[in-house]
Amino acid sequence: QKEVEQNSGPLSVPEGAIASLNCTYSDRGSQSFFWYRQYSGKSPELIMSIYSNGDQEDGRFTAQLNKASQYVSLLIRDSQPSDSATYLCAVNMEGAQKLVFGQGTRLTINP
Amino acid sequence: DGGITQSPKYLFRKEGQNVTLSCEQNLNHDAMYWYRQDPGQGLRLIYYSQIVNDFQKGDIAEGYSVSREKKESFPLTVTSAQKNPTAFYLCASQQDNSYEQYFGPGTRLTVT
Repeated sequence: QKEVEQNSGPLSVPEGAIASLNCTYSDRGSQSFFWYRQYSGKSPELIMSIYSNGDQEDGRFTAQLNKASQYVSLLIRDSQPSDSATYLCAVNMEGAQKLVFGQGTRLTINP
Repeated sequence: DGGITQSPKYLFRKEGQNVTLSCEQNLNHDAMYWYRQDPGQGLRLIYYSQIVNDFQKGDIAEGYSVSREKKESFPLTVTSAQKNPTAFYLCASQQDNSYEQYFGPGTRLTVT
């Protein structure tokens, strides 16, 4: 089992709809969870951080964490074509000063 | 302007040559990281350093070497022993007392 798993997609969502991206992780001791957005040919950009169960909202983005089920999700409301990118989930591994990244989900917003 | 710089943006080398990729940060972060990304893949950790003059191997360190002589700089050398060096190389630094990592723009290395 991979340490951090994401559906690679592609995920296609119409403009204005809600895009839902999911990530599961294997280490029950993980405490910090991140979502990065990566446009084609560019480097990843941190867009959301979440550390406790529940929701964390920032503008159109909401990160959701459920430690009991070991999953973290990202919701994008009112999706825009500019949201089309690959979204990477990253999780810290307990006791290690490093992150483990999922393979990313490619999201396409259709006008 | 605080941030992370990587140079060059594109790099071409012949097989059998060593090449060094530059990474500099002025965020005053202690920890720095090197990742490799292949097309359609996530990020794989090559090396990381939590403090000057110390570094640890990541998941795919074979064929790579690093140094950390200054807090601001963490250069990566891709040696001729690396069997498939063509990839997108990303450097990151990590905010102190946090796991938040911030990335440089990357270097795209092509070896023929």
